[in-house]
Amino acid sequence: QKEVEQDPGPLSVPEGAIVSLNCTYSNSAFQYFMWYRQYSRKGPELLMYTYSSGNKEDGRFTAQVDKSSKYISLFIRDSQPSDSATYLCAMSHLIQGAQKLVFGQGTRLTINP
Amino acid sequence: GAGVSQTPSNKVTEKGKYVELRCDPISGHTALYWYRQSLGQGPEFLIYFQGTGAADDSGLPNDRFFAVRPEGSVSTLKIQRTERGDSAVYLCASSLTPASLYTGELFFGEGSRLTVL
Repeated sequence: QKEVEQDPGPLSVPEGAIVSLNCTYSNSAFQYFMWYRQYSRKGPELLMYTYSSGNKEDGRFTAQVDKSSKYISLFIRDSQPSDSATYLCAMSHLIQGAQKLVFGQGTRLTINP
Repeated sequence: GAGVSQTPSNKVTEKGKYVELRCDPISGHTALYWYRQSLGQGPEFLIYFQGTGAADDSGLPNDRFFAVRPEGSVSTLKIQRTERGDSAVYLCASSLTPASLYTGELFFGEGSRLTVL
C-alpha cells in the first residue's frame, strides 16, 4: 500500500463548476500538506500549503486537512479552462521537514469551456 | 537564471549505456533535490543536497544511481548501466532554506525525459 493515495482520474467538468480533489494517507507522522499543479511537460508548481489540520483559502482555491481521518482536499471554485492540469497532493513529516516530499499519483483535471 | 534549468530536456539511450543529467538551481538556493516521475505517477524522491553534501540519499534505487554537487550549485545525476525501467522524467528542484524549510515550496525544473531503449 502506498503512503499517499490519490484518484488518478481523469476528471472532466464544465467551466464554472466546483472541483473537489482528494488524497488519503497512511503515515500519521505527516504534518505538512501541499498541493502542487503540473501542466503538461512542465515541472510541478506549489499551489497551496497547510500545516497540520484546518482550512486555508487562497482566491478560488481552498485546502482542507483532516488529520483524524488522514484525508486532505483541494476545492476549486469557479473553475476555468486554465485550471486544466494534473494536481498532485504532497506531504512530509516533522523530522525531515520539507526536504523529502511524498507525492500522490496526481489527478488529471480538464475544465471544458 | 530565473528558474531551475535542466539539461538535456530529452535523452534517448540504449540499455547498458551511461547517462548524466544536469541541474542548475535557482541562484542562492542552497537545497537541491532530485525526483523521478514515471508515466502517470507522482514524483518520487531520490536525493537531497544541502550545500555540497548529500543530506539524504535514501531514495536512490540502487548503486547504479549517483549524484554530485561539488561546488554547492550545479548538480549532476549519473546513471550507470541504464535499464529500460530507468525510463522516466527526472525532475530537479531547489529551495531557499531555512526560510522555505517547512513551507513545502520546492521550485521544480521542467525535467529531463530519459528513454532507455
